[in-house]
Amino acid sequence: QKEVEQDPGPLSVPEGAIVSLNCTYSNSAFQYFMWYRQYSRKGPELLMYTYSSGNKEDGRFTAQVDKSSKYISLFIRDSQPSDSATYLCAMEAGNNRKLIWGLGTSLAVNP
Amino acid sequence: DAGITQSPRHKVTETGTPVTLRCHQTENHRYMYWYRQDPGHGLRLIHYSYGVKDTDKGEVSDGYSVSRSKTEDFLLTLESATSSQTSVYFCAISERDEQYFGPGTRLTVT
Repeated sequence: QKEVEQDPGPLSVPEGAIVSLNCTYSNSAFQYFMWYRQYSRKGPELLMYTYSSGNKEDGRFTAQVDKSSKYISLFIRDSQPSDSATYLCAMEAGNNRKLIWGLGTSLAVNP
Repeated sequence: DAGITQSPRHKVTETGTPVTLRCHQTENHRYMYWYRQDPGHGLRLIHYSYGVKDTDKGEVSDGYSVSRSKTEDFLLTLESATSSQTSVYFCAISERDEQYFGPGTRLTVT
């Protein structure tokens, strides 16, 4: 079993939909949680960064961490065609500066 | 990725030849990383550095070596390229927990 599991999709939604992307993990030591967005043929870019449990909002994006269930989510409200990308989750225990990555979920937002 | 550059951006090489990829940063970040990204495998860490001349292996380090003689430069060398090393290579930098990525190098080994 991989330390971080992420459904690869692809996920296809109409413009304006609410999108939910999820990762589960097995290591209870993880404390730092990140979401990255990667456009085709580009490097990953940091989208959201959260520490510990709870919600964090930034514009149309909300990151949610549930440490008791070992589950993190990224919600995208009012999705736009420009949100079409692969979304990767990453997490770290805080002791070695090495991130553990999900495989990424491919999202297509259709106009 | 404005503060991170990778060179070359594309390279085609033959099996058995050595190849060096360069990562350059202008952010003065302490940590630097080399990843490869392949379909079905995601991002996999090759090597990383936690300071000048301080490096360590990642999960897929066989066939790769690195050097960091200056804070701003991190070199990845494929000692004798094989077809299985055809991939997209990303450099990343970090000062705390989050990492910031370069634009990538697309390497093809024929």
